[in-house]
Formats: sequence, C-alpha cells, structure tokens
Amino acid sequence: EPEVTQTPSHQVTQMGQEVILRCVPISNHLYFYWYRQILGQKVEFLVSFYNNEISEKSEIFDDQFSVERPDGSNFTLKIRSTKLEDSAMYFCASSEAEGREAFFGQGTRLTVV
Amino acid sequence: GESVGLHLPTLSVQEGDNSIINCAYSNSASDYFIWYKQESGKGPQFIIDIRSNMDKRQGQRVTVLLNKTVKHLSLQIAATQPGDSAVYFCAEIKAAGNKLTFGGGTRVLVKP
Repeated sequence: EPEVTQTPSHQVTQMGQEVILRCVPISNHLYFYWYRQILGQKVEFLVSFYNNEISEKSEIFDDQFSVERPDGSNFTLKIRSTKLEDSAMYFCASSEAEGREAFFGQGTRLTVV
Repeated sequence: GESVGLHLPTLSVQEGDNSIINCAYSNSASDYFIWYKQESGKGPQFIIDIRSNMDKRQGQRVTVLLNKTVKHLSLQIAATQPGDSAVYFCAEIKAAGNKLTFGGGTRVLVKP
C-alpha cells in the first residue's frame, strides 16, 4: 500500500541552526502539506502546497519556514533558524485532489536544544 | 507562562463493547469531515470520512454520524478491540479548501 515516508524519524539540533525535514508523498498525489504537533497537543496546520507553490499557510508558518519540491518526488520543510519552541513532531501529508482525505507520514520528531 | 499539554478526555471501554467518540465542530462552512486514529509515536491514520450532504456513513466496524444542525460528529466503533486503543481526532475541511482543522482528540483505552 502506498504511503508517505518521512526522514529522519528524529532530529536533534541546536538553537539557531537550520534544519531540513524531508518527505516523499504518495506518488500520484498532487497536494502536499506540513503539520506539526507539539507534545500532548493537537495537530496544527502549517502549510499546503500545490502546483509548485504555497496555496495556504498558517500564522505559525512565518519567514523562518519554507517549503520546496526540489524534484518529482521529494517535499521538504526548512526551518532557517530553529527556536526551542519549534520542538515538535512534524508530519507531512499528501492528498490526491482538493477536498480529499490527506494521508500522513510517521512524522519527524524535532528536538531543539 | 509555560503552555500546558492538552488534557485529553479518555474513553475507557471493555473489549468487545461498542465505543462512541464525539466531536463538536465550529465552522458551519465546513463540508468535509474525517476521523483519524493516532497511535503513540505515529502519524494520524485515516479511518473514515463524511461529506456534509450525508448524515451517516459506514465502514468496516466504524460508523460516522454527522448532525449539521448542532454541528456534531461522532465515531462509533463496533466490538472494540485492543488494537483500537489510540487517540482519535476529528478533522474538518471547509468548502473549496484543503486545510485540515483538527479537534482536540479523545483517548480510547480498551480493557481486556
């Protein structure tokens, strides 16, 4: 069964460093997303991406965040200068079409120290 | 001050019994609803969905009910099994959008 894959599963970084979280969405999906979940809290939307551009973003997704689809299979989330409060699980998701269910990856646990 | 983790309501259910998980949504413009299951350390897993033009949809051992009048969604799990132990989130998408807005979640604990 096709699935969304994310790497790494756990990333530890020092405050102020840049991190890149990687995702391979399901191959025939056209819409890609990043969500995050701070420990013990609900899943929060960060950004959606379609046709090589951001279609929607939340207030969390400030200038420190960027997304990219560098090739036909990868979808990345970059945090330019990490802060302690960026520590969370980051989930990539993809969907086949607009208004369809999103399928999530297993997440990357980001720990900023 | 320091943020406090979300206190999840917990549903404790005996193995074999039926479970009902409830969710209230706030956006009357939402027209698509999804239930996700999240096991510890994993990503949300799609269970079942329903569109606003329906009030009931059934899957394998699961049923979703939608009451648009009171903006309420429920998930029924028949013959709950130990593998059903997880946190369950409802999520909504408003018309002509893709952003999922998640509810707070309910933890289901299945007792053998």
